[in-house]
Parts: sequence; structure tokens; C-alpha cells
Amino acid sequence: AQKVTQAQTEISVVEKEDVTLDCVYETRDTTYYLFWYKQPPSGELVFLIRRNSFDEQNEISGRYSWNFQKSTSSFNFTITASQVVDSAVYFCALSEPGAGANSKLTFGKGITLSVRP
Amino acid sequence: DAGITQSPRHKVTETGTPVTLRCHQTENHRYMYWYRQDPGHGLRLIHYSYGVKDTDKGEVSDGYSVSRSKTEDFLLTLESATSSQTSVYFCAISEGAGVMKNIQYFGAGTRLSVL
Repeated sequence: AQKVTQAQTEISVVEKEDVTLDCVYETRDTTYYLFWYKQPPSGELVFLIRRNSFDEQNEISGRYSWNFQKSTSSFNFTITASQVVDSAVYFCALSEPGAGANSKLTFGKGITLSVRP
Repeated sequence: DAGITQSPRHKVTETGTPVTLRCHQTENHRYMYWYRQDPGHGLRLIHYSYGVKDTDKGEVSDGYSVSRSKTEDFLLTLESATSSQTSVYFCAISEGAGVMKNIQYFGAGTRLSVL
């Protein structure tokens, strides 16, 4: 069965600190997608990134970067120089089954990030 | 903006009453999903649809039914609401092909309280 583990439940940092959110997944599929979503205090869910299982290149978008390592089944998310606006719940998700057209998502339980001024 | 509207946004109801939540999309997406979000559980899939009148169960489907009679609307019904169904409900859409394949975009959510 598919599983996504976000072992960290709550993280608190001071503004400008770097912070890494961990995500470990389990799947028997060889082709799949991984995702990160952000849920700010306002409650909406915002898509951040999708990563194909065949693409292990790290990705950087501004202060955000993602490290995908198939060997350790991890897809970690780093925020550099955190800001108060980064305070949110962050969800990692895995497509199931595989990367088919009607794939559903299995979500982790989320990590609550608090960035203090 | 993926053009998803959920209604109502907030609802308070009593145990035993039927409740219907609506998800409306304006961009002809094929796949639609209903999730519930509860503290400590993340998001869990209730039901999903892969086309008009084509629906299937998710992880936590007991006590819920869905209908999709037209592309733009996906209805979630709690047949007889219970306090355990107090939750925030999210609708999502996705495409099965193209550059946006498998990316799910979410509505704003419906906060349901069953007293």
C-alpha cells in the first residue's frame, strides 16, 4: 500500500532561518509523482511542486528547494531564509497508483511550520 | 485559479439529517475528488469521479455518497449526518494528461459541524 510519512508534526523557527521539511514515502510503483502543498492559516490548499519519479534533479524556486532521493524514498523541502508568510501547514503527497491518468493522491499528515519574527 | 467553487462554505446541522455539499467547476476538468481534513489525519479521499456518472470510493467512503450528473458539478451527500463527520471538506479537480497531469487543485473548503 502507498504511504507518506511526515515525521515532523510541528516546527518553529525564527525568521531568516533555513528549515527543511521531511517527507518519506512507500510505493511499489516504479513510476509515480510526488507533490508538496501549502495550507496557510486562511485554509486554502496551494499546489507547490510536482516531481516525476524519473526526474531526480533537485529543483529550486526562489527561496524554495526540493531534494528528491529515490534511494532513500525521500522528497524533502527546504525553505531558505524563512519569512513569517511561510507559516503554514505543508503536505507531501504521492500519486496512486503510479502515474496513471486517474491517479489519486495519498497525503501525509502535514507539518505545521511557524516562523516567528 | 482553477475555477472551483464549493457551497456552502460553512454549515451547521443536526445528527441524523441529510446534508449535500456541492462542488462546481467552470473549466471542464475530467477528474473530481472529495476529501475530508481532520486534525492528525491530513487529507483523506472520500470519493472521486473520472467522468459524468463515473464515480468510485476512496479511503473513507462509509456514510457518504456522491453524484456527478454533469461535468461541472460533483455532489457529496451525507445520508444521515453523524458527529464523526464534523470536518472540513475539500473538493479538487485534475487532468489526466498534459503538463498539468495529476496535479490536483483544490476548492476553498466547506466547514461542516454536526451537532
